[in-house]
Amino acid sequence: DTAVSQTPKYLVTQMGNDKSIKCEQNLGHDTMYWYKQDSKKFLKIMFSYNNKELIINETVPNRFSPKSPDKAHLNLHINSLELGDSAVYFCASSQVFSSGNTIYFGEGSWLTVV
Amino acid sequence: GENVEQHPSTLSVQEGDSAVIKCTYSDSASNYFPWYKQELGKRPQLIIDIRSNVGEKKDQRIAVTLNKTAKHFSLHITETQPEDSAVYFCAASSSTGNQFYFGTGTSLTVIP
Repeated sequence: DTAVSQTPKYLVTQMGNDKSIKCEQNLGHDTMYWYKQDSKKFLKIMFSYNNKELIINETVPNRFSPKSPDKAHLNLHINSLELGDSAVYFCASSQVFSSGNTIYFGEGSWLTVV
Repeated sequence: GENVEQHPSTLSVQEGDSAVIKCTYSDSASNYFPWYKQELGKRPQLIIDIRSNVGEKKDQRIAVTLNKTAKHFSLHITETQPEDSAVYFCAASSSTGNQFYFGTGTSLTVIP
């Protein structure tokens, strides 16, 4: 009954490959996110979707393409992987209330590009 | 957009002492300020939050204060224990948008 689940948890791949990370939330939230956490532990927003529509697209290379088939799913596809893409990618979801909102994270996907 | 700054980046305290982490934000529209704890190899998890209509909130050994005028908020952990060792993130969010802005994190080490 995990609230936000993402797969795979670990991914080791060679430079130049294409890979995808999948995310699903069962909280009924309208908004989903992808965050990248690098070796310095910074949590950097990459994308945000609200009800399947893209609302935030930070400065991220075009090689990264999110897809939201429905509001419970937000997948991340990465083309032509580079060494600098090695990081932990966290999926998250939240629901906006008038008094604010709380964001819940998935367990993270550890991507290593060799 | 919002800019959240967090200090210090690292903090070491003796077990039983208090720890304080401070954050500032820039957007006066931000009205929700959660704090997350991330243990090694785990996901960030919400430990306490405060909304802009409240100045202070306490939950056992942790407390958060908010100064809206100065645009800063702080996390206070009292009687620290080794299991408090983790990276702590502050964040700011506005109810007008689905956006969270995180601070750069504070690595807290509690020395037994």
